[in-house]
Amino acid sequence: QQPVQSPQAVILREGEDAVINCSSSKALYSVHWYRQKHGEAPVFLMILLKGGEQKGHEKISASFNEKKQQSSLYLTASQLSYSGTYFCGTEKRSDYKLSFGAGTTVTVRA
Amino acid sequence: NAGVTQTPKFQVLKTGQSMTLQCAQDMNHEYMSWYRQDPGMGLRLIHYSVGAGITDQGEVPNGYNVSRSTTEDFPLRLLSAAPSQTSVYFCASSYLDRGGQPQHFGDGTRLSIL
Repeated sequence: QQPVQSPQAVILREGEDAVINCSSSKALYSVHWYRQKHGEAPVFLMILLKGGEQKGHEKISASFNEKKQQSSLYLTASQLSYSGTYFCGTEKRSDYKLSFGAGTTVTVRA
Repeated sequence: NAGVTQTPKFQVLKTGQSMTLQCAQDMNHEYMSWYRQDPGMGLRLIHYSVGAGITDQGEVPNGYNVSRSTTEDFPLRLLSAAPSQTSVYFCASSYLDRGGQPQHFGDGTRLSIL
């Protein structure tokens, strides 16, 4: 099953922060985060493997709560380049399937 | 390195026609997969493979066939195209490491079925 992402869309002004959530009904082994610009392929941001693990990529960071089967992506001091659609991908312990959520569209305005 | 190469980039088919979407990677990745992307539904997994000769179904496999005869290639076949298969198709590949490897995506194939 696909993980559930929220919100569906968010509009920010440069410098503002945002949080994107990803949750699954299944026990998770890992969570991936990708960003896709319009008309382009998704691009890898980060992977979280352990419960409670946090990782960062520039001013974009993420956390993974294995017990709650949830992950959150944090956009800090957003820049115009952060605009795009963000997808979380989840992998269960039982197989190699990587299932993606429906995406969160982020628009950053000057 | 070319990375993940998908061909064709665009294709228009008539209902009932068959075709093969090609995907090739030159990174010696064991894991390859196909996704379709529709507005509001994100990326949905069609089929995936963990190595030559091994394939398995994803979330939306109906209407699609795959095979993996070499490490480099993972073609996706539409046996009898239907308008519901109009979508953007992405192929992805990675090393086979449980949870630890980023997916490399091709540029996509935009398929319209009339």
